[in-house]
Amino acid sequence: DGGITQSPKYLFRKEGQNVTLSCEQNLNHDAMYWYRQDPGQGLRLIYYSQIVNDFQKGDIAEGYSVSREKKESFPLTVTSAQKNPTAFYLCASSIAFPGQLMIFGSGTRLTVV
Amino acid sequence: QQPVQSPQAVILREGEDAVINCSSSKALYSVHWYRQKHGEAPVFLMILLKGGEQKGHEKISASFNEKKQQSSLYLTASQLSYSGTYFCGTNDNFNKFYFGSGTKLNVKP
Repeated sequence: DGGITQSPKYLFRKEGQNVTLSCEQNLNHDAMYWYRQDPGQGLRLIYYSQIVNDFQKGDIAEGYSVSREKKESFPLTVTSAQKNPTAFYLCASSIAFPGQLMIFGSGTRLTVV
Repeated sequence: QQPVQSPQAVILREGEDAVINCSSSKALYSVHWYRQKHGEAPVFLMILLKGGEQKGHEKISASFNEKKQQSSLYLTASQLSYSGTYFCGTNDNFNKFYFGSGTKLNVKP
């Protein structure tokens, strides 16, 4: 079955640590996205990638970094520079950019302890 | 530019109808509708591309007005399974895609 796999489902981070969230898709989609969702809030775009080896900042990129070395993979690193990282992180992909019928992963809930 | 969704929240009894609106100050290239259950990923419902278009999915349908600045999602004879948060997603001619802030729908028995 085609889809998007995010791991881990739950992640706990100590203050000052970097953590990497995994996102893998087998849909052969060109575009991939990372969104952040806070309780009761909408979806805010962190980074997006239209094609392999290319990515662009979204609206809240500060404190985050990404890479797109393979078409199927788009990992997100939450760095220690991100002052308030506790949130629900969603990865998505679409056939093309922008936003053509997005398929979302099941999300990673990150908590800073 | 983020679209404006209204209302922010709706409480219904089973069998009642609801309308959720999504508006922009600019003409839009497309409108997407998604539903998210608590703690889960958003799920795609439908996409509208043409002014005046209407689409249906079982008892859930949507319209896109002629000026392509507003879309409405119609939930008819609501079921308990319709509960969740509904988001519209829009992109304009500059190829930027934004989600609305969401409408929380609670269907009660």
